[in-house]
Amino acid sequence: QVQLVQSGAEVKKPGASVKVSCKASGYIFTSYDINWVRQATGQGLEWMGWMNPNSGNTGYAQKFQGRVTMTRDTSISTAYMELSSLRSEDTALYYCARPISDGDYAYWGQGTLVTVSS
Amino acid sequence: DIQMTQSPSSLSASVGDRVTITCRASQSISSYLNWYQQKPGKAPKLLIYAASSLQSGVPSRFSGSRSGTDFTLSISSLQPEDFATYYCQQSYSTPYTFGQGTKLEIK
Repeated sequence: QVQLVQSGAEVKKPGASVKVSCKASGYIFTSYDINWVRQATGQGLEWMGWMNPNSGNTGYAQKFQGRVTMTRDTSISTAYMELSSLRSEDTALYYCARPISDGDYAYWGQGTLVTVSS
Repeated sequence: DIQMTQSPSSLSASVGDRVTITCRASQSISSYLNWYQQKPGKAPKLLIYAASSLQSGVPSRFSGSRSGTDFTLSISSLQPEDFATYYCQQSYSTPYTFGQGTKLEIK
């Protein structure tokens, strides 16, 4: 069965960077994009961007351009999302998600809580 | 960016009721509209994709429809496990924006 397992919670200071991992299993990792979505506590869902694990191509929401980098290691079927220059507003639960085809996320990681606090 | 406007933002209903949640896109998105259910502390769950296709394993009391840029999620007979927050999302063009959510509560 398809599974996405994310790394554990992180606490970071303002200005630091965080790198969240998402390990995929149960399917061919390079066959489907991995997308990242975040959710601040009590708030809605916010799409951050996508990565094609086969080519490494990426696309980011304008809001995160210049601060986010999505990468992968195909040898271990793992995707990464790194967010830099963290501020308190980046405190949120970060999810990786895999679509059925494009943008329709049938599979989600369990979420990684990133807390930004001085 | 395409704006997705959901209504209502909250809704109280009883077990057995039929409920409808609507989502309006700020421009044409064809049928690239998905619906998710989210329960507290859990990741979202895909219910409907491509406006009206039922995701595998989702009960048939859930259905979706489209009229132009207006989309509807219907639940035919509410069950206790359906009380949750529901989100629409367009997958027509990036950024793949979500609606603000509809919280469905027990009356």
